[in-house]
Amino acid sequence: KNEVEQSPQNLTAQEGEFITINCSYSVGISALHWLQQHPGGGIVSLFMLSSGKKKHGRLIATINIQEKHSSLHITASHPRDSAVYICAVTNFGNEKLTFGTGTRLTIIP
Amino acid sequence: EAQVTQNPRYLITVTGKKLTVTCSQNMNHEYMSWYRQDPGLGLRQIYYSMNVEVTDKGDVPEGYKVSRKEKRNFPLILESPSPNQTSLYFCASSLYAGANYEQYFGPGTRLTVT
Repeated sequence: KNEVEQSPQNLTAQEGEFITINCSYSVGISALHWLQQHPGGGIVSLFMLSSGKKKHGRLIATINIQEKHSSLHITASHPRDSAVYICAVTNFGNEKLTFGTGTRLTIIP
Repeated sequence: EAQVTQNPRYLITVTGKKLTVTCSQNMNHEYMSWYRQDPGLGLRQIYYSMNVEVTDKGDVPEGYKVSRKEKRNFPLILESPSPNQTSLYFCASSLYAGANYEQYFGPGTRLTVT
């Protein structure tokens, strides 16, 4: 079973700061997902990637398959970015997702 | 609007009283799944369905049942709820079988069993 670790568990930063959230996993995967969960509870898919890098607005996700590691970056952070960010992986030959426990991000104005 | 809906959003019930949480998607997705979310444990899969009449156990299926009689609906049934099933539940769907497609999540159902 794949072990998915996220760091840090909690992160507080000032508005405008560059944010990095890390995700590492123990076994080879076919895809990695980054999800966002707002305080109301709803979960939104931000990225799905299997190699390289993807960008959407101020959010950038990268993955290094050899090192079994992914990062989520937020540029020019804003209080509305405050949420829990969850990393999840799809294992090879398996239809299931394995989730990390999330990183709680708080951006202070 | 493309969405996954769940009902009810909040439910407080007593031990042993059967309940059903409904899940419906309007995107013609083949793959649907149920997760529970508990503090410190993250999201864990309960059951999933690759298509109509095809369901399988996830990581924590004990105490739950599901059915997939229609493509759009995937209800979660708790025949005899117990306090350890108090949790936040999410239904999710994706276009095709497998988790290599973007996942769409419902708004969540917060269940309390006393």
